[in-house]
Amino acid sequence: DIQMTQSPSSLSASVGDRVTITCQASQGIGKRINWYQQKPGKAPKLLIYDASNLLTGVPSRFSGSGSGAYFTFTISSLQPEDIATYFCQHYDRRPPFTFGPGTKLDIK
Amino acid sequence: QVQLVQSGAEVKKPGASVKVSCKASGYTFGDYYLHWVRQAPGQGLEWMGWINPHNGATDHALKFQGRVTMTRDKSIATAYMEVSGLTSDDTAVYYCAKDVGYVNGCDYWGQGTLVTVSS
Repeated sequence: DIQMTQSPSSLSASVGDRVTITCQASQGIGKRINWYQQKPGKAPKLLIYDASNLLTGVPSRFSGSGSGAYFTFTISSLQPEDIATYFCQHYDRRPPFTFGPGTKLDIK
Repeated sequence: QVQLVQSGAEVKKPGASVKVSCKASGYTFGDYYLHWVRQAPGQGLEWMGWINPHNGATDHALKFQGRVTMTRDKSIATAYMEVSGLTSDDTAVYYCAKDVGYVNGCDYWGQGTLVTVSS
């Protein structure tokens, strides 16, 4: 099975800051990675698919990049409503479609 | 609008089984895979498996081999996941989620079902 690692596990940033989270797969997965946002007590929300494609309605301050085994997720200007935990997930070829361990983001 | 409505919270004893339902509406049930994902308290997301509602074919993570059964009833647009041999490690919120279709990601999620395993 493909394993996903994420870093950092948590981070604090100020409103307006640029925030970057990285995700690494245990083997090359092309661009087959999703990024989710989860707020406390809520179901996850899909933000980005295929490494860099924003789902309709997702603010443009969110972006993703990468291919192969190394991926980044960026919030260009952090907003208070972005406080959440962010997860990557691969969907390479066959299941299981493993999630990364998550990055908890809060406001400094 | 797309909705996935799950069954209510359950409390089970170790060794018991639990069956969670997920009723879909607002789209053609048979056209999109349904994923099952769980989240233990304070922990991350764990992908459990998925079902093709069109033909009932399933696939699941190896760790659940022999313990998880996913089924569906097309006539009522409802998917089910049963977990047997429960232990305290199975205490979690269980989610069903609809596949996007053109990529394997989850664009709509149920509200989650808390399953608590306690003696």
